[in-house]
Amino acid sequence: AQKVTQAQTEISVVEKEDVTLDCVYETRDTTYYLFWYKQPPSGELVFLIRRNSFDEQNEISGRYSWNFQKSTSSFNFTITASQVVDSAVYFCALNMGQLTFGSGTQLTVLP
Amino acid sequence: DTEVTQTPKHLVMGMTNKKSLKCEQHMGHRAMYWYKQKAKKPPELMFVYSYEKLSINESVPSRFSPECPNSSLLNLHLHALQPEDSALYLCASSLIAGTSGWDEQFFGPGTRLTVL
Repeated sequence: AQKVTQAQTEISVVEKEDVTLDCVYETRDTTYYLFWYKQPPSGELVFLIRRNSFDEQNEISGRYSWNFQKSTSSFNFTITASQVVDSAVYFCALNMGQLTFGSGTQLTVLP
Repeated sequence: DTEVTQTPKHLVMGMTNKKSLKCEQHMGHRAMYWYKQKAKKPPELMFVYSYEKLSINESVPSRFSPECPNSSLLNLHLHALQPEDSALYLCASSLIAGTSGWDEQFFGPGTRLTVL
């Protein structure tokens, strides 16, 4: 069975602070795909990144970076110099044919 | 065109009404999905269509009836709903369904449904 755990229910930071959102996953398969989605108040889930289980390279995209560690089954997401527009719910998901979502982390960035 | 559109944005209906939600994509995707999302919860998969055929029904009550008239359109027909069915209903599409998990799903903005 697959499972994704996002232990942080809510995080609040002040603008320009760095923030890391944690994601831990469970699967017995060796081939799998991990995703991060952002859901702003408007409701639409926005795709942020995809990573396959064979690619442990970390990735940076502007202020966003992702740290994938198979040894700890974690796929953490860091926002550097956070902005108010980053306020949203962030979901980590495991995809092995169907998306298994974590419970989400509500990030609030205060001005 | 890389978007999934959904109509209506908001819907209020009584328990005896019949209504439909509509979803459309023009990305050539052959898999389409319906999700239900309650407040402060992750989306829950309801149905998957692959090449216009229903491939997954996650034990959804029969008061929800999906339909895929063609590869670009997905409908969700609603009848005799209960107040607990009030939620955000999200549609998504991906290039293909099921096999690998590589395909990202593109989500629409959702329909906020309130059942009185």
